[in-house]
Amino acid sequence: DAKTTQPNSMESNEEEPVHLPCNHSTISGTDYIHWYRQLPSQGPEYVIHGLTSNVNNRMASLAIAEDRKSSTLILHRATLRDAAVYYCILLPGTYKYIFGTGTRLKVLA
Amino acid sequence: DSGVTQTPKHLITATGQRVTLRCSPRSGDLSVYWYQQSLDQGLQFLIHYYNGEERAKGNILERFSAQQFPDLHSELNLSSLELGDSALYFCASSLRLAGAPLNEQFFGPGTRLTVL
Repeated sequence: DAKTTQPNSMESNEEEPVHLPCNHSTISGTDYIHWYRQLPSQGPEYVIHGLTSNVNNRMASLAIAEDRKSSTLILHRATLRDAAVYYCILLPGTYKYIFGTGTRLKVLA
Repeated sequence: DSGVTQTPKHLITATGQRVTLRCSPRSGDLSVYWYQQSLDQGLQFLIHYYNGEERAKGNILERFSAQQFPDLHSELNLSSLELGDSALYFCASSLRLAGAPLNEQFFGPGTRLTVL
């Protein structure tokens, strides 16, 4: 199964950039890299996705390594509301939507 | 509000019992996904339905079953419940089949199941 590896937890100070890494060495050529996040007491929500090129949207940026075996979600200025669990997932992968345990981001005021 | 509704919000039951969780997808979405989230296991994919047909199965136990009805709502049936089945169960919906480049999944608020 296409699998991703993320650190269990990270901390950041408010108003500072945060770089959340994800390794996916078994990624296939047709897999898109998606990021979701889960705020406390809520279901996950979509953040961003990409295939090969770096991507930006209003929430975040996604930097994808040239060999596509890793990626980094960048929150440009972390706020307290960004405290959440961030999941990196390959889609369609094996169509088994392996979210894993994600990275718990703590934002310090 | 994602537009996905799940009922009930909370469910408390005893071991050995059977429960049904219900999910209504966003208007127009054809895909429905079920996930289980327990404290030590993270978010686990259970099953995916597209327009009434099962499309993919994850780590779904044989005691669990699901279906998607003609009006596209879905139900997850859990039987012979065990203490370890206590978890949050999320339903998500998306417009398309899984293979589309952006097939954003919209998650419901979840049903918290407690098995005593």
